[in-house]
Amino acid sequence: SQQGEEDPQALSIQEGENATMNCSYKTSINNLQWYRQNSGRGLVHLILIRSNEREKHSGRLRVTLDTSKKSSSLLITASRAADTASYFCATDLNSGYSTLTFGKGTMLLVSP
Amino acid sequence: SQTIHQWPATLVQPVGSPLSLECTVEGTSNPNLYWYRQAAGRGLQLLFYSVGIGQISSEVPQNLSASRPQDRQFILSSKKLLLSDSGFYLCAWSNSGPYYEQYFGPGTRLTVT
Repeated sequence: SQQGEEDPQALSIQEGENATMNCSYKTSINNLQWYRQNSGRGLVHLILIRSNEREKHSGRLRVTLDTSKKSSSLLITASRAADTASYFCATDLNSGYSTLTFGKGTMLLVSP
Repeated sequence: SQTIHQWPATLVQPVGSPLSLECTVEGTSNPNLYWYRQAAGRGLQLLFYSVGIGQISSEVPQNLSASRPQDRQFILSSKKLLLSDSGFYLCAWSNSGPYYEQYFGPGTRLTVT
């Protein structure tokens, strides 16, 4: 079953705009991770945020985590056409083996 | 640096035929290894994971099986494919422990006809 649910399912913006994607989950987590997938390719890890962290930054990426609301958001600032991809959140339920449960993803289209 | 390989890249197989997908990792030792399946427009479903040679955990009952004959080799198999086995199969590895990201291979596109 899906643990994380991304919102929106699809997002279309212009280059230079910011893109915000949200993820909600159902049970307590050890950490939450965001991945990007270009069409027909493998996933690429973007950022990991631990359950005791509230915000992390990496370049143009900003991730927040609200464990009380069981939600996370990924903000991509100053989007570029190359950011066009599907973005997935994945939750680690503290199984000890880094097994992740992925959501269905948000498909982001950035137009030039 | 670490690299992960998967082959073949694409595969078209008839219903009832066997399957063998291979994944190998270079540049690390004793990794955790994972097999996922991704249906069209969907998220990833964890199929199997392994924390060591010969140690396989299955997440979803199905007609697939996995084996880890060597430390950095992970094989996904089936004796008889079903139409529902079509999808994009991804192998991934991670270091052991609770705070490590996973690194994915390029994937295998399997079409069962």
